[in-house]
Amino acid sequence: KAGVTQTPRYLIKTRGQQVTLSCSPISGHRSVSWYQQTPGQGLQFLFEYFSETQRNKGNFPGRFSGRQFSNSRSEMNVSTLELGDSALYLCASSPEGGSDTQYFGPGTRLTVL
Amino acid sequence: AQKVTQAQTEISVVEKEDVTLDCVYETRDTTYYLFWYKQPPSGELVFLIRRNSFDEQNEISGRYSWNFQKSTSSFNFTITASQVVDSAVYFCALSGVNTGNQFYFGTGTSLTVIP
Repeated sequence: KAGVTQTPRYLIKTRGQQVTLSCSPISGHRSVSWYQQTPGQGLQFLFEYFSETQRNKGNFPGRFSGRQFSNSRSEMNVSTLELGDSALYLCASSPEGGSDTQYFGPGTRLTVL
Repeated sequence: AQKVTQAQTEISVVEKEDVTLDCVYETRDTTYYLFWYKQPPSGELVFLIRRNSFDEQNEISGRYSWNFQKSTSSFNFTITASQVVDSAVYFCALSGVNTGNQFYFGTGTSLTVIP
């Protein structure tokens, strides 16, 4: 099976812009979770989607949003970008979510100038 | 509250040495799961192991072994005869059944294996 794929791999934006990141889960996986990784804060949970519904949400402002499509592919959007949003954004998929093992994609490296 | 502590920020060992990465967790759940992931320089987190709270048997997979002790809330990871390819950041994670099944990650331990 193909692994989790994320596009784009690298992105450079300026403050105030918005960005959309895409994640395709492993075939058959219905849960997709998003994480932000920064040197200062480590790996932080953003949200989880299952069957097109947000099932769990971390402690991030409303500028961070996401959605999941009927084929389980997911997108996350960050509006009004701030310098502090520069990070590696990782997507993970699992069969049913919950405490299932999560399999991670290669990440999208976002740089905000 | 769920919390994972990896007190070792960076470790350096010489190739072929054994190394143990520590992981201590806190949870009020009686049913929970513990994980280890490896993050090489490429950035992708690679799954290594998943254990549930009811299975305290130690596990060995090749040069990797894990020691789970509920009495000390620890889930330590040992690499035997380390190799340069083991150089990476290793994360321990916790997921609790009664706390939304969200994954809580430790801050990671950066392992450098010197040839």
